[in-house]
Amino acid sequence: RKEVEQDPGPFNVPEGATVAFNCTYSNSASQSFFWYRQDCRKEPKLLMSVYSSGNEDGRFTAQLNRASQYISLLIRDSKLSDSATYLCVVNGGTGFQKLVFGTGTRLLVSP
Amino acid sequence: DAGVIQSPRHEVTEMGQEVTLRCKPISGHNSLFWYRQTMMRGLELLIYFNNNVPIDDSGMPEDRFSAKMPNASFSTLKIQPSEPRDSAVYFCASSLSRRGLGSFTEAFFGQGTRLTVV
Repeated sequence: RKEVEQDPGPFNVPEGATVAFNCTYSNSASQSFFWYRQDCRKEPKLLMSVYSSGNEDGRFTAQLNRASQYISLLIRDSKLSDSATYLCVVNGGTGFQKLVFGTGTRLLVSP
Repeated sequence: DAGVIQSPRHEVTEMGQEVTLRCKPISGHNSLFWYRQTMMRGLELLIYFNNNVPIDDSGMPEDRFSAKMPNASFSTLKIQPSEPRDSAVYFCASSLSRRGLGSFTEAFFGQGTRLTVV
């Protein structure tokens, strides 16, 4: 089983739609969770950290479900500029652990 | 803040040649990661350092790959000899790890080195 798994998509949605991505992780001791965004031919950039209580940043909401070992990203009122690949990032438990990236979910928002 | 700086941005080399990629992490960060990204395999972690010490190099594909971090502000990834299948984008990222808590702050990426081996 991969450490971090994501549906590669692509998710094709119209402007204004709400879209949600899930990401599952295998290490139950993981403590740090992030969503990154990567535009074509660019480096990944942090979109938001994911906290245990869930967190929201404008149109973006991130949730963590430790019992089922997944994190989610919800995007409301999609914009054309949201088209990108969204990467789930998880690290392991105690001590020094890797930051492991999922393969990403591609989102295409159309007019 | 200059961010993570990688050089060169692009490298085209012939098979069999040695390639050296360079990275300057963000000042104050104690963790440094080298990743490789291809369409087929996505982002793969090659190696990471903590306080200049290699912690996990299990992702390094084979002996042709080596990485060093002689000090807190510089790291290199070397491929010798290079092969066409090494063609990819190589990213360096840095982060601050909190020892004992086993957690990281966000990782910041450099702009990457696009390597083409012909």
